[in-house]
Amino acid sequence: DQQVKQNSPSLSVQEGRISILNCDYTNSMFDYFLWYKKYPAEGPTFLISISSIKDKNEDGRFTVFLNKSAKHLSLHIVPSQPGDSAVYFCAAKDSGTYKYIFGTGTRLKVLA
Amino acid sequence: DGGITQSPKYLFRKEGQNVTLSCEQNLNHDAMYWYRQDPGQGLRLIYYSQIVNDFQKGDIAEGYSVSREKKESFPLTVTSAQKNPTAFYLCASSIGPASYEQYFGPGTRLTVT
Repeated sequence: DQQVKQNSPSLSVQEGRISILNCDYTNSMFDYFLWYKKYPAEGPTFLISISSIKDKNEDGRFTVFLNKSAKHLSLHIVPSQPGDSAVYFCAAKDSGTYKYIFGTGTRLKVLA
Repeated sequence: DGGITQSPKYLFRKEGQNVTLSCEQNLNHDAMYWYRQDPGQGLRLIYYSQIVNDFQKGDIAEGYSVSREKKESFPLTVTSAQKNPTAFYLCASSIGPASYEQYFGPGTRLTVT
C-alpha cells in the first residue's frame, strides 16, 4: 500500500525550461511534505519543504505547490540546469510522529 | 564539520552471517532513522528512534535489529533472518519538531552472497 506515489519514473527537460515533478499521497494525516535530491551512491539531500497549512513555498529556482483537496504536490524547477539531473524523492511526515514515508523517486535528466 | 557518517561504504558478507552497519551523527539530533533502498524503489523505513533508549519498527523491520544507547549512534544489525539483505542502506537524523528536514549519511551498500 503505497501512501506516497511518484507515478513518473523519469523525466527529460531541456536546459533553461521548467521541470515539474509530481507526487500524490493518500493519507490526509500527513502534516509536512519534503523534496529530496539524490545522486547515485550518495544519500539524499534536502531540497525544499512545505507545511500542510500552506499551498506554496519558494526557494530560489525551486517552488513546491501543495493541493490538499487533490492530495497532490509538485516541485517546479525554473530554469532547469544540467546539474539538476538527479533522482528526486518526495516524502511526507506522519503527524504526531517522526515517521516519514518516501515516494519511489523520479529521475530527472536536464539536457544541455 | 557536523554531519552523519556511515561506515563502511561497501560491505560484503556470506549468507547466514549477522552484520552491523554503523551510523554516527554529531548534529545533536534527537531522531535517527534507517532506510533501505532497492533498485527502482523508494526509501523504505526499517527502524526509527525519537530519543535515546527508544526505537520503533518501520515498514520493513523483520530481520533487522537496532539499538540507541547513545544520542549520536544508531547501529543497524542485519540478521540472518533477513531474506534479501543485499541493498543500499541509508541512515538519517532530524532535529525534532522544530525542523522536519532529515539529514542523510552517504549510505552503505551491503552485498550478501
